Amino acid sequence: DIQMTQSPSSVSASVGDRVTITCRASQGVSSWLGWYQQKPGKAPKFLIYAASTLQSGIPSRFSGSGSGTDFTLTISSLQPEDIAIYYCQQANSFPLTFGGGTTVEIK
Amino acid sequence: EVQVAESGGGLGQPGGSLRLSCAASGFTFSNYWMSWVRQAPGKGLEFVANIKHDGSEKFYLDSVKGRFTISRDNAKNSLSLQMNGLRAEDTAVYYCARLIRVSFGYYFDYWGQGTLVTVSS
Repeated sequence: DIQMTQSPSSVSASVGDRVTITCRASQGVSSWLGWYQQKPGKAPKFLIYAASTLQSGIPSRFSGSGSGTDFTLTISSLQPEDIAIYYCQQANSFPLTFGGGTTVEIK
Repeated sequence: EVQVAESGGGLGQPGGSLRLSCAASGFTFSNYWMSWVRQAPGKGLEFVANIKHDGSEKFYLDSVKGRFTISRDNAKNSLSLQMNGLRAEDTAVYYCARLIRVSFGYYFDYWGQGTLVTVSS
């Protein structure tokens, strides 16, 4: 199985700051990587697929990049509604696997 | 509007059984892979099982193989997870999720609100 490792496990930033989350796969997954946002008590929400393509309706302050084993999710200007846990997911092979999550908080 | 809604969670005894159901609407159910994903209290997301649109292929998390069975009824737009031999570590919120394939990648694009399964005596 492909293991996904996210860092940091949590990040605290001010409104308007740039926030970057990294995700590393234990083996290459090409560009087959997704990102999800989960707010407290809610189901996850699909943000990005193919490493860098925003799902419909996702604000443009979110962006993704990377290929192979190393990926990043960037929030260009943190907003209060972005407070959540973010998960990466390798989409390359079954079983599909998730990273451990990164909690984004407001400083 | 795409919707998936889980039911059937609750308290299960260690070694006992529970059956989860997921009702789908707003899309052609028979055209999509479907999945169950779980989240233990305070923990991250964990894939449990998925099933191809026609039921011909199924994949399971290693720790549930032989205990859990995923199935679907395309005529009724429904997905099920039969959970036998329950263990304390199966305690989690179980989400039903639609899988989409984009090029060579599979992603969970729509999720239900989840149903809580608690395994305890």
